[in-house]
Amino acid sequence: QVQLVESGGGVVQPGRSLRLSCAVSGSGFSTYGMHWVRQTPGKGLEWVGVISYDGTNKYYVESVKGRFTMSRDNSKNTLYLEMNSLRVDDTAVYYCAQASGYGFFTEFFQHWGQGTLVTVSS
Amino acid sequence: DIQMTQSPSSLSASVGDSVTITCRASQGITNYLAWFQQKPGKAPKSLIYAASRLHSGVPSKFSGSGSGTEFTLTISSLQPEDFATYYCQQYNSYPYTFGQGTKLEIK
Repeated sequence: QVQLVESGGGVVQPGRSLRLSCAVSGSGFSTYGMHWVRQTPGKGLEWVGVISYDGTNKYYVESVKGRFTMSRDNSKNTLYLEMNSLRVDDTAVYYCAQASGYGFFTEFFQHWGQGTLVTVSS
Repeated sequence: DIQMTQSPSSLSASVGDSVTITCRASQGITNYLAWFQQKPGKAPKSLIYAASRLHSGVPSKFSGSGSGTEFTLTISSLQPEDFATYYCQQYNSYPYTFGQGTKLEIK
């Protein structure tokens, strides 16, 4: 049974940085792409980005390009989201999700984490 | 970006009813369409992928159909645990995008 557990959320001031983690239990982490999705009351669900199984390919939504960076450590079964230059509108619950394949195109979400809340406020 | 539009935004139904939710894509996405269920304070739960294929463990009361730009999710014989918010999502191309959600409430 695959389980995804996010951590690292909290309250941070605008312009500061935060790193989220997503620990994955169960076999096969290194063979699946991984996504981040966020949710706000106002904007609903928003896909943030994807990283391929080996970390070599990444795609991001336009609003976070240049500020957010996804990475992974397959030896630790862990996915990361480094968030820099945070803005008030980055406030959301952040979910990690496992892709159905290597993390390239046309792959659906197989499993979701429970989410971690990031609040950007002065 | 591909825009996903769900209708209705909210829906009231009674236990035992069947309901249908529609999702339209702003351009063709073949069958790269997923449906999720979300309850308050919980993560989304994957129900359907490839427009009509049920994820493991999802009861057959949930069914999906459609291709191209128009898709539907039908839930039959509603039970109290089915009242939740439902989202569609396209995974045809990046950025993946979601519908705004349909809140299914008990009448």
